[in-house]
Parts: sequence; structure tokens; C-alpha cells
Amino acid sequence: GNSVTQMEGPVTLSEEAFLTINCTYTATGYPSLFWYVQYPGEGLQLLLKATKADDKGSNKGFEATYRKETTSFHLEKGSVQVSDSAVYFCALSSTGFQKLVFGTGTRLLVSP
Amino acid sequence: SAVISQKPSRDICQRGTSLTIQCQVDSQVTMMFWYRQQPGQSLTLIATANQGSEATYESGFVIDKFPISRPNLTFSTLTVSNMSPEDSSIYLCRALGPSNTEAFFGQGTRLTVV
Repeated sequence: GNSVTQMEGPVTLSEEAFLTINCTYTATGYPSLFWYVQYPGEGLQLLLKATKADDKGSNKGFEATYRKETTSFHLEKGSVQVSDSAVYFCALSSTGFQKLVFGTGTRLLVSP
Repeated sequence: SAVISQKPSRDICQRGTSLTIQCQVDSQVTMMFWYRQQPGQSLTLIATANQGSEATYESGFVIDKFPISRPNLTFSTLTVSNMSPEDSSIYLCRALGPSNTEAFFGQGTRLTVV
């Protein structure tokens, strides 16, 4: 079945550092890929998505590229801020937005 | 976008009791879902809440343990029945917007069973 593996956290960075959170997936066919973010005390929010190979999703300075050859969708940001501290979830779906399969989440802590 | 209010945000319950979690959406949505996130694990889909009919449960989840209601297009409840410490988790509801191109989550309910 479909599954998502993402790096364990917490990831601890200083402000303005470069961020990478790794995500790889296993799926049949051509799933859509997503990154969700959960800020403290809030619900999960869609951060970005990509629906086909080589697509790049981007939002709020974050980027992720759908790499079918390596079955990966790594999240990157060139310069993190303290306000980026949150838990980040990688997810996939073979049915649009209906059934989402999530990774375990990676906590990011950014210090001033 | 839709806003989902989920409550309670947290609770501590005695084993053998039941807890009902509510999700209210501020607009009509096509589909609503309930997830569980056990400590250190990913979100697992419990069931799809169907408006006006019985929920559709995923493998490993049954109606007697997790009864779900969805009386209209903006509201759903999940009950965790006859709780045991193994039910200690975060429970989240999710709604799918009318265009099926957006998904919204509640803030989650952190349940501890003692």
C-alpha cells in the first residue's frame, strides 16, 4: 500500500539557516504529494503541493520538487525564521484530496 | 477557505468511559474525515463521515468503538467508547471543500486515558 517516510525530528536550526526535511514515498501509480504544517495550538494547514513528476510546489519561501526517479518530495527553505517553528507533515494521495496518507511529522525548532 | 472548530481541545478520561468530540465547520463541505495520531506515529484515517448515512470505516476501526455522526453538511461527532489507555492519542477532524481541491483540519483533541 501507499506509505510516506520522513526524517525524524526535532530539527533544530538558527534563524536564517538553510532547511531541508527529507520525505520519500511508496505508492502505485502517480500520487499527488503534499506538505502540511501545524503551528502550535492550530490545525494542520496545507503548505504546498505537487500533482505530477517534476512539479515544484512553493509557498511562503518553502519549496519541494516531485522527484519520481527517487520517489522523494524534500521540503526546503533558504532562510528559516523563528515563526517557521512548527511540525511539518509530508503526505500523499492517489485520490485527489480525499484519502491522505501521512508521514510521522518532523518538528522544526528555530532559535533567534 | 473553511474554518473548523473542534472541541474539546484536550481531556483526561477514566478508562471504561466514553468521550464525544465535535467538529463544526463554518461552511458546507462535501466530505468529513476523522484521524487518530498516536504518540510518535503518523495520522491514521479512522473513517469517513457520510452525511445522512453510516460512516465508512477503515480497516482496524469499528463502529462500536468509534461511532460517528454527521447530521448535516457542517457538523460531525466522533465518540471514543469504552476507553482504555491505548486510546490515548490526538484525534483530528478534516473537511474537504466543495471543489475537492482543498482540505481543512480542526485543531485536534488530545485525549489521555488513565
